Amino acid sequence: EDKVVQSPLSLVVHEGDTVTLNCSYEVTNFRSLLWYKQEKKAPTFLFMLTSSGIEKKSGRLSSILDKKELFSILNITATQTGDSAVYLCAFYSGAGSYQLTFGKGTKLSVIP
Amino acid sequence: DTGVSQNPRHKITKRGQNVTFRCDPISEHNRLYWYRQTLGQGPEFLTYFQNEAQLEKSRLLSDRFSAERPKGSFSTLEIQRTEQGDSAMYLCASSLGAGEKTQYFGPGTRLLVL
Repeated sequence: EDKVVQSPLSLVVHEGDTVTLNCSYEVTNFRSLLWYKQEKKAPTFLFMLTSSGIEKKSGRLSSILDKKELFSILNITATQTGDSAVYLCAFYSGAGSYQLTFGKGTKLSVIP
Repeated sequence: DTGVSQNPRHKITKRGQNVTFRCDPISEHNRLYWYRQTLGQGPEFLTYFQNEAQLEKSRLLSDRFSAERPKGSFSTLEIQRTEQGDSAMYLCASSLGAGEKTQYFGPGTRLLVL
């Protein structure tokens, strides 16, 4: 059975800190991994990663995938209170399936 | 706003009643997905449509659940004979094209079954 584990489950940091969120997976026929940010509503898309070792970057956020060691990290530098949210990783796997399988998420709280 | 929309945003019902939720995807998105999310968990896949065809259904989707997308645009999710365990956030997402694409989520319908 496919499995995805996110760590830590929750994290409290001060504004300006840098954080690294982890997503490890055991997936049959892995195809791609996605990161989403969820505040008190819909998950919003951050990144999609398909190739190993290629960093994707958007402002203060960046992410990379390691398909050999089966994990991805999401980095947030110079955190702001607006970064407080649950960060979810999800993946496409299997042959011909288009469902996303999500982890439980990491709850990030950024305090002033 | 041209994002995914869902109605109603909140629904309170009594056990045993039927409920129906609606999802309007982003215009021209050919794929539409339904997920369910409970507190402290990530979204769990329920079903997905490509145009009007329902192509995948999760084992989570019991026979009390039915989804339709009759004209390949909006979709409805109906839950018959609701149970307290159905209380959750029901999320809809849509995507465009073939292969693995970004799914864009709507704001969800929060269901509470009393």
